[in-house]
Amino acid sequence: KAGVTQTPRYLIKTRGQQVTLSCSPISGHRSVSWYQQTPGQGLQFLFEYFSETQRNKGNFPGRFSGRQFSNSRSEMNVSTLELGDSALYLCASRGDLPPYEQYFGPGTRLTVT
Amino acid sequence: QQQVKQSPQSLIVQKGGISIINCAYENTAFDYFPWYQQFPGKGPALLIAIRPDVSEKKEGRFTISFNKSAKQFSLHIMDSQPGDSATYFCAASSKRGATNKLIFGTGTLLAVQP
Repeated sequence: KAGVTQTPRYLIKTRGQQVTLSCSPISGHRSVSWYQQTPGQGLQFLFEYFSETQRNKGNFPGRFSGRQFSNSRSEMNVSTLELGDSALYLCASRGDLPPYEQYFGPGTRLTVT
Repeated sequence: QQQVKQSPQSLIVQKGGISIINCAYENTAFDYFPWYQQFPGKGPALLIAIRPDVSEKKEGRFTISFNKSAKQFSLHIMDSQPGDSATYFCAASSKRGATNKLIFGTGTLLAVQP
């Protein structure tokens, strides 16, 4: 089985711009989560989707949004980028049955200048 | 109460030695405790996980010890190898059937010296 894939792997944007990141989960997984990883704040939960519905949301401003498509692929969008949004954005997918293990993709490294 | 506290921040172990990383939590609703390994430039990879109804789980050289009353759990890496040099994260979650949300510790940078 192919793992979680994320595109693009690297991205450089300017303050004020917006960005869209993409994630394809493991085949058969309907649940996708997004995390932000920074040296200062560590790994923080952004939101999760299951069958195209947002099921849970972390403590991030409304500039961070996401969606999931009928094929379980997910996108996250960050509008009006700030320098502090520079981070590794990780997507994780999870199966529908126990033990509900989550598998992470390689991440998208976003740099905001 | 949602935090998971991880220690030490960094660890240096000689090849063949035992690496021990500790985590503590407050939220008694947590019912799933995974450990992830992350190499530079890669996403976290699931190593081993435990539920609170068992006190220990072993997979190869990796063992999780769980103390429910103390609300602590730890990762032991036996016969540590230079290839184990990575950052290790503990995590916790609750209601796993209903949500994916993982609360992560701050990470431990492990260096295994040859």
